[in-house]
Amino acid sequence: DTEVTQTPKHLVMGMTNKKSLKCEQHMGHRAMYWYKQKAKKPPELMFVYSYEKLSINESVPSRFSPECPNSSLLNLHLHALQPEDSALYLCASSQGFGNEKLFFGSGTQLSVL
Amino acid sequence: GEDVEQSLFLSVREGDSSVINCTYTDSSSTYLYWYKQEPGAGLQLLTYIFSNMDMKQDQRLTVLLNKKDKHLSLRIADTQTGDSAIYFCAVLSGTYKYIFGTGTRLKVLA
Repeated sequence: DTEVTQTPKHLVMGMTNKKSLKCEQHMGHRAMYWYKQKAKKPPELMFVYSYEKLSINESVPSRFSPECPNSSLLNLHLHALQPEDSALYLCASSQGFGNEKLFFGSGTQLSVL
Repeated sequence: GEDVEQSLFLSVREGDSSVINCTYTDSSSTYLYWYKQEPGAGLQLLTYIFSNMDMKQDQRLTVLLNKKDKHLSLRIADTQTGDSAIYFCAVLSGTYKYIFGTGTRLKVLA
């Protein structure tokens, strides 16, 4: 199984809503990532969890809150988002040594109204 | 910080070869990667090259690395319409910090 599964595929939310994005992998990977991608732009790193501990936070606003309940699951909790947060949110995983291939999910297309 | 640049657009005819170029500023990445993204999808790893290598061939894909010039290229032989996508090169800039290039949109004309 070389799959990273993200749910939901699409999400529309208002600026006062609270929602969560979910990501799951069963490859035994110990590093998991959240990226944000705007249309026609490269992915931008948001967070990295390594061995279930937050290793990197790229100065992301606190309205985005990551969580790694176990080595297979990664969540991104969303609260009080702004319209400019509308984007494709991609989850990825890698073995965990810090210099290896990334496996991506198909993403959640988020629209904030 | 690390800067990774690509040309924005490439158009080729079906059956021709495509060459996508990438330049980067930081040469400390042990591996350099090529990813493909189709519309509405995530990124798919196509191939990668170890920084001590000059060339790697993988079926229709050939990766060339010129470390002196900090230049990476991806050649796709016998390009097909299914190859139409956005292609990103990526390098590492610190542990877990993958930096993606600006992306090249490849359009294959039938």
